[in-house]
Amino acid sequence: GQQLNQSPQSMFIQEGEDVSMNCTSSSIFNTWLWYKQDPGEGPVLLIALYKAGELTSNGRLTAQFGITRKDSFLNISASIPSDVGIYFCAGRTATGFQKLVFGTGTRLLVSP
Amino acid sequence: EAGVTQSPTHLIKTRGQQATLRCSPISGHTSVYWYQQALGLGLQFLLWYDEGEERNRGNFPPRFSGRQFPNYSSELNVNALELEDSALYLCASSLAVSSYEQYFGPGTRLTVT
Repeated sequence: GQQLNQSPQSMFIQEGEDVSMNCTSSSIFNTWLWYKQDPGEGPVLLIALYKAGELTSNGRLTAQFGITRKDSFLNISASIPSDVGIYFCAGRTATGFQKLVFGTGTRLLVSP
Repeated sequence: EAGVTQSPTHLIKTRGQQATLRCSPISGHTSVYWYQQALGLGLQFLLWYDEGEERNRGNFPPRFSGRQFPNYSSELNVNALELEDSALYLCASSLAVSSYEQYFGPGTRLTVT
């Protein structure tokens, strides 16, 4: 199945550091979503983006819809141990109806 | 407000059997989606139901099927189970056809032996 390229694959950082991850595609997307998944649980929606160039924040999280519409970025500021998990981007193409295409995930580990 | 619920939490079946997984969406949500997440992999879109109709399906064989009931809850049926069907099956719901924000349940872990 189709998947988005997400990088980095994993990150191990110290508490208090800022984190950046991105998601790229060869296709144009009309919607970008960012999810966090804890082990054995379902993904939790963090941020939704609907317009190219849009920058949206949710607490310490900030995400941007790339102006080319082929990428998106997620930043986490001042990381804390509970930020540990797998972060997935998801996108919807113009012809994809409600189908979301998911990224391969970025595993984040935070050392206290 | 209750989130998306799924049952059972875990399901163990043998190859060739059938599995039925259930999902109740968030109250007021009419669209239900099913995804498969194999171990260590991302989510693969399976099926989308809205107002009782199948609206779209992913690249999965016909032995993956389902339905949506009048109360918007949904079932996913997997026939003739194969070992590679072992995965976490996630259900998500959204407010309406025009909403692209999907909210996920905790999943059903299906193990095929």
